[in-house]
Amino acid sequence: EDQVTQSPEALRLQEGESSSLNCSYTVSGLRGLFWYRQDPGKGPEFLFTLYSAGEEKEKERLKATLTKKESFLHITAPKPEDSATYLCAVRRSNYQLIWGAGTKLIIKP
Amino acid sequence: GAVVSQHPSWVICKSGTSVKIECRSLDFQATTMFWYRQFPKQSLMLMATSNEGSKATYEQGVEKDKFLINHASLTLSTLTVTSAHPEDSSFYICSARIGYNEQFFGPGTRLTVL
Repeated sequence: EDQVTQSPEALRLQEGESSSLNCSYTVSGLRGLFWYRQDPGKGPEFLFTLYSAGEEKEKERLKATLTKKESFLHITAPKPEDSATYLCAVRRSNYQLIWGAGTKLIIKP
Repeated sequence: GAVVSQHPSWVICKSGTSVKIECRSLDFQATTMFWYRQFPKQSLMLMATSNEGSKATYEQGVEKDKFLINHASLTLSTLTVTSAHPEDSSFYICSARIGYNEQFFGPGTRLTVL
Protein backbone atom coordinates (compact mmCIF):
# COMPACT_ATOMS: atom_id res chain seq x y z
CA GLU A 1 0.00 0.00 0.00
CA ASP A 2 1.29 3.44 -0.93
CA GLN A 3 1.90 5.64 2.06
CA VAL A 4 3.83 8.62 3.35
CA THR A 5 5.02 8.93 6.94
CA GLN A 6 6.49 12.08 8.38
CA SER A 7 8.51 12.25 11.57
CA PRO A 8 8.62 13.64 14.10
CA GLU A 9 5.05 14.87 14.52
CA ALA A 10 6.38 17.94 16.27
CA LEU A 11 9.83 19.39 16.77
CA ARG A 12 10.87 22.19 19.10
CA LEU A 13 14.24 23.80 18.49
CA GLN A 14 16.11 26.77 19.82
CA GLU A 15 16.89 29.50 17.34
CA GLY A 16 20.07 28.53 15.52
CA GLU A 17 19.77 24.81 16.35
CA SER A 18 19.96 22.87 13.09
CA SER A 19 17.93 19.69 12.55
CA SER A 20 16.18 17.53 9.97
CA LEU A 21 12.63 16.48 9.23
CA ASN A 22 11.96 13.08 7.73
CA CYS A 23 9.51 11.90 5.08
CA SER A 24 9.48 8.15 4.48
CA TYR A 25 7.50 6.78 1.60
CA THR A 26 6.43 3.61 -0.13
CA VAL A 27 4.94 4.22 -3.54
CA SER A 28 4.74 2.40 -6.82
CA GLY A 29 6.23 4.50 -9.56
CA LEU A 30 7.38 7.70 -7.90
CA ARG A 31 6.65 10.74 -10.06
CA GLY A 32 8.02 13.34 -7.70
CA LEU A 33 8.21 14.23 -4.03
CA PHE A 34 7.03 17.63 -2.86
CA TRP A 35 7.70 19.70 0.23
CA TYR A 36 5.31 22.42 1.34
CA ARG A 37 5.20 24.80 4.27
CA GLN A 38 1.88 25.65 5.91
CA ASP A 39 1.30 28.47 8.37
CA PRO A 40 -1.77 28.32 10.65
CA GLY A 41 -4.95 29.33 8.87
CA LYS A 42 -3.27 29.51 5.46
CA GLY A 43 -2.86 27.32 2.41
CA PRO A 44 0.37 25.36 1.87
CA GLU A 45 3.26 27.18 0.24
CA PHE A 46 5.31 25.23 -2.29
CA LEU A 47 8.97 24.72 -1.37
CA PHE A 48 10.62 21.96 -3.42
CA THR A 49 10.09 19.17 -5.92
CA LEU A 50 12.51 16.24 -6.04
CA TYR A 51 12.36 13.61 -8.73
CA SER A 52 15.23 11.16 -8.36
CA ALA A 53 17.43 9.65 -5.65
CA GLY A 54 20.45 11.78 -4.96
CA GLU A 55 18.76 15.00 -5.93
CA GLU A 56 19.14 17.99 -3.61
CA LYS A 57 17.56 21.44 -3.60
CA GLU A 58 18.16 24.46 -1.41
CA LYS A 59 16.28 27.59 -0.51
CA GLU A 60 17.62 29.94 2.12
CA ARG A 61 18.01 27.88 5.32
CA LEU A 62 16.27 24.81 3.88
CA LYS A 63 17.76 21.91 1.95
CA ALA A 64 15.76 18.94 0.71
CA THR A 65 17.33 15.61 -0.20
CA LEU A 66 15.90 12.41 -1.64
CA THR A 67 16.77 8.72 -1.46
CA LYS A 68 14.85 5.74 -2.77
CA LYS A 69 12.93 5.42 0.49
CA GLU A 70 12.87 8.81 2.15
CA SER A 71 13.43 12.51 1.94
CA PHE A 72 14.93 14.85 4.47
CA LEU A 73 14.27 18.52 4.93
CA HIS A 74 17.34 19.96 6.61
CA ILE A 75 16.99 23.27 8.34
CA THR A 76 20.19 25.13 9.15
CA ALA A 77 20.36 27.78 11.88
CA PRO A 78 16.58 28.21 11.96
CA LYS A 79 14.88 31.44 12.94
CA PRO A 80 11.50 31.87 14.68
CA GLU A 81 9.91 32.76 11.33
CA ASP A 82 10.69 29.23 10.13
CA SER A 83 8.06 27.94 12.58
CA ALA A 84 5.32 26.23 10.57
CA THR A 85 3.99 22.82 9.66
CA TYR A 86 6.00 21.18 6.91
CA LEU A 87 4.11 18.82 4.62
CA CYS A 88 5.51 16.15 2.36
CA ALA A 89 3.64 14.59 -0.56
CA VAL A 90 4.56 11.98 -3.14
CA ARG A 91 3.10 11.60 -6.58
CA ARG A 92 2.25 8.15 -7.84
CA SER A 93 2.50 6.81 -11.36
CA ASN A 94 -1.16 7.81 -11.91
CA TYR A 95 -0.20 11.36 -10.82
CA GLN A 96 -2.25 11.28 -7.65
CA LEU A 97 -0.67 12.84 -4.57
CA ILE A 98 -0.36 11.08 -1.24
CA TRP A 99 0.13 13.45 1.67
CA GLY A 100 1.96 12.97 4.93
CA ALA A 101 0.46 14.22 8.17
CA GLY A 102 3.09 16.93 8.53
CA THR A 103 5.71 17.95 11.06
CA LYS A 104 4.98 20.95 13.24
CA LEU A 105 8.20 22.89 13.70
CA ILE A 106 8.53 25.40 16.51
CA ILE A 107 11.61 27.59 16.74
CA LYS A 108 12.04 29.33 20.06
CA PRO A 109 13.92 32.63 20.18
CA GLY B 1 4.11 33.86 -10.37
CA ALA B 2 1.77 30.91 -9.71
CA VAL B 3 -0.65 32.78 -7.48
CA VAL B 4 -3.96 31.22 -6.50
CA SER B 5 -6.68 33.21 -4.77
CA GLN B 6 -9.78 32.12 -2.90
CA HIS B 7 -12.87 34.03 -2.00
CA PRO B 8 -14.17 34.45 0.58
CA SER B 9 -11.40 33.91 3.11
CA TRP B 10 -13.97 33.14 5.76
CA VAL B 11 -17.72 32.68 5.89
CA ILE B 12 -20.28 32.07 8.59
CA CYS B 13 -23.67 30.75 7.58
CA LYS B 14 -26.80 29.25 9.05
CA SER B 15 -27.49 25.55 8.86
CA GLY B 16 -29.37 24.65 5.69
CA THR B 17 -27.99 27.42 3.52
CA SER B 18 -25.61 27.01 0.60
CA VAL B 19 -22.17 28.56 0.37
CA LYS B 20 -20.08 29.13 -2.75
CA ILE B 21 -16.29 29.35 -2.63
CA GLU B 22 -14.29 30.63 -5.60
CA CYS B 23 -10.79 29.58 -6.56
CA ARG B 24 -8.86 31.53 -9.18
CA SER B 25 -5.43 31.12 -10.72
CA LEU B 26 -4.32 34.70 -11.18
CA ASP B 27 -1.29 34.51 -13.43
CA PHE B 28 -1.52 31.16 -15.14
CA GLN B 29 -4.02 28.84 -16.75
CA ALA B 30 -4.59 25.77 -14.66
CA THR B 31 -5.32 22.54 -16.44
CA THR B 32 -6.44 20.95 -13.20
CA MET B 33 -7.76 22.30 -9.92
CA PHE B 34 -8.16 20.42 -6.67
CA TRP B 35 -10.35 20.94 -3.63
CA TYR B 36 -9.21 19.89 -0.17
CA ARG B 37 -10.61 20.17 3.30
CA GLN B 38 -8.54 20.27 6.42
CA PHE B 39 -9.66 19.74 9.99
CA PRO B 40 -7.70 21.24 12.89
CA LYS B 41 -4.27 19.70 13.37
CA GLN B 42 -4.84 17.27 10.49
CA SER B 43 -3.34 17.06 7.06
CA LEU B 44 -5.03 17.83 3.79
CA MET B 45 -7.85 15.60 2.61
CA LEU B 46 -8.48 15.62 -1.12
CA MET B 47 -12.17 16.04 -1.91
CA ALA B 48 -12.19 16.22 -5.69
CA THR B 49 -10.19 16.82 -8.82
CA SER B 50 -11.55 19.21 -11.40
CA ASN B 51 -10.59 19.64 -15.03
CA GLU B 52 -11.85 22.57 -17.07
CA GLY B 53 -14.93 21.75 -19.06
CA SER B 54 -15.49 18.30 -17.58
CA LYS B 55 -17.12 16.82 -14.52
CA ALA B 56 -15.16 16.69 -11.31
CA THR B 57 -13.80 13.41 -10.00
CA TYR B 58 -14.73 12.96 -6.36
CA GLU B 59 -12.80 10.98 -3.79
CA GLN B 60 -14.44 8.06 -2.07
CA GLY B 61 -16.78 9.18 0.68
CA VAL B 62 -17.28 12.71 -0.66
CA GLU B 63 -20.89 13.44 -1.61
CA LYS B 64 -20.94 14.96 -5.07
CA ASP B 65 -24.49 16.25 -4.63
CA LYS B 66 -23.50 18.08 -1.49
CA PHE B 67 -20.20 19.50 -2.71
CA LEU B 68 -20.88 20.86 -6.18
CA ILE B 69 -17.83 21.73 -8.23
CA ASN B 70 -17.88 23.81 -11.37
CA HIS B 71 -14.76 24.43 -13.42
CA ALA B 72 -15.97 26.88 -16.01
CA SER B 73 -12.64 28.18 -17.23
CA LEU B 74 -8.91 27.57 -17.01
CA THR B 75 -8.67 30.16 -14.25
CA LEU B 76 -11.80 29.60 -12.16
CA SER B 77 -13.26 26.75 -10.17
CA THR B 78 -16.06 26.99 -7.65
CA LEU B 79 -17.09 24.75 -4.77
CA THR B 80 -20.65 25.04 -3.51
CA VAL B 81 -21.50 23.45 -0.19
CA THR B 82 -25.21 22.81 -0.44
CA SER B 83 -27.50 22.67 2.60
CA ALA B 84 -24.56 23.16 4.89
CA HIS B 85 -24.60 21.67 8.37
CA PRO B 86 -22.32 22.22 11.36
CA GLU B 87 -20.31 19.11 10.52
CA ASP B 88 -19.35 20.79 7.22
CA SER B 89 -17.47 23.45 9.16
CA SER B 90 -13.86 23.16 8.09
CA PHE B 91 -11.00 24.84 6.28
CA TYR B 92 -11.42 24.44 2.52
CA ILE B 93 -8.37 24.88 0.32
CA CYS B 94 -8.08 24.80 -3.45
CA SER B 95 -4.98 24.25 -5.53
CA ALA B 96 -4.17 24.59 -9.20
CA ARG B 97 -1.72 22.78 -11.39
CA ILE B 98 -0.19 23.27 -14.82
CA GLY B 99 0.16 19.95 -16.57
CA TYR B 100 1.61 17.43 -14.16
CA ASN B 101 3.79 19.86 -12.25
CA GLU B 102 3.54 20.97 -8.65
CA GLN B 103 0.30 22.25 -7.19
CA PHE B 104 -0.03 25.83 -6.01
CA PHE B 105 -2.47 26.45 -3.20
CA GLY B 106 -4.91 29.17 -2.40
CA PRO B 107 -5.01 30.79 1.05
CA GLY B 108 -8.01 28.75 2.15
CA THR B 109 -11.57 29.50 3.21
CA ARG B 110 -12.71 29.01 6.78
CA LEU B 111 -16.36 27.86 6.78
CA THR B 112 -18.36 27.95 9.99
CA VAL B 113 -21.91 26.64 9.92
CA LEU B 114 -24.06 27.62 12.86
